[in-house]
Amino acid sequence: EPEVTQTPSHQVTQMGQEVILRCVPISNHLYFYWYRQILGQKVEFLVSFYNNEISEKSEIFDDQFSVERPDGSNFTLKIRSTKLEDSAMYFCASSPLEDTQYFGPGTRLTVL
Amino acid sequence: AQSVTQPDIHITVSEGASLELRCNYSYGATPYLFWYVQSPGQGLQLLLKYFSGDTLVQGIKGFEAEFKRSQSSFNLRKPSVHWSDAAEYFCAVGAKEYGNKLVFGAGTILRVKS
Repeated sequence: EPEVTQTPSHQVTQMGQEVILRCVPISNHLYFYWYRQILGQKVEFLVSFYNNEISEKSEIFDDQFSVERPDGSNFTLKIRSTKLEDSAMYFCASSPLEDTQYFGPGTRLTVL
Repeated sequence: AQSVTQPDIHITVSEGASLELRCNYSYGATPYLFWYVQSPGQGLQLLLKYFSGDTLVQGIKGFEAEFKRSQSSFNLRKPSVHWSDAAEYFCAVGAKEYGNKLVFGAGTILRVKS
């Protein structure tokens, strides 16, 4: 059964550094999403992406964040200058249509 | 604003006992409703979903959920819990009118005692 994959599983970085989190969505899916879960808090929506552009973003998704689909398979989330409060589990999801989202295993980001 | 409430942070049940996890939502549009499960170190696995039609939906691993519009609820049930069901369960709501972004509840941690 096809799955969403994410790399790395764990990323440790210094405050102020740039990080890129990578996702490979399910191959025939058209809609892509990033969510995050800060430890002990709810899973929160960050951004959705369709047809090579952002379709919606939350207020969390400020200028420090960007997303890209650099080729036909990868979907990336970049954080330009990480802050301590960016430490969280980041989940990628994809959906074939505007309905059921399938999630990857997550990348745990630790900012020191 | 859209919100999802899972009133139980932890639930402990005996293996073989029945289970009901509660979910209530507040949403300004016709919602899509989901239950996801997360085992330690794993991602979010879809258990079941409701879009329209029959309000009782069946999912994987023997789970079912019932949509009750009048109560704004989408409770998850299982008639007989197995030790492998121990995990965290998340209720989530989305709608086309809100770009299909999912709003999640805080999760319920299920412990199964033998």
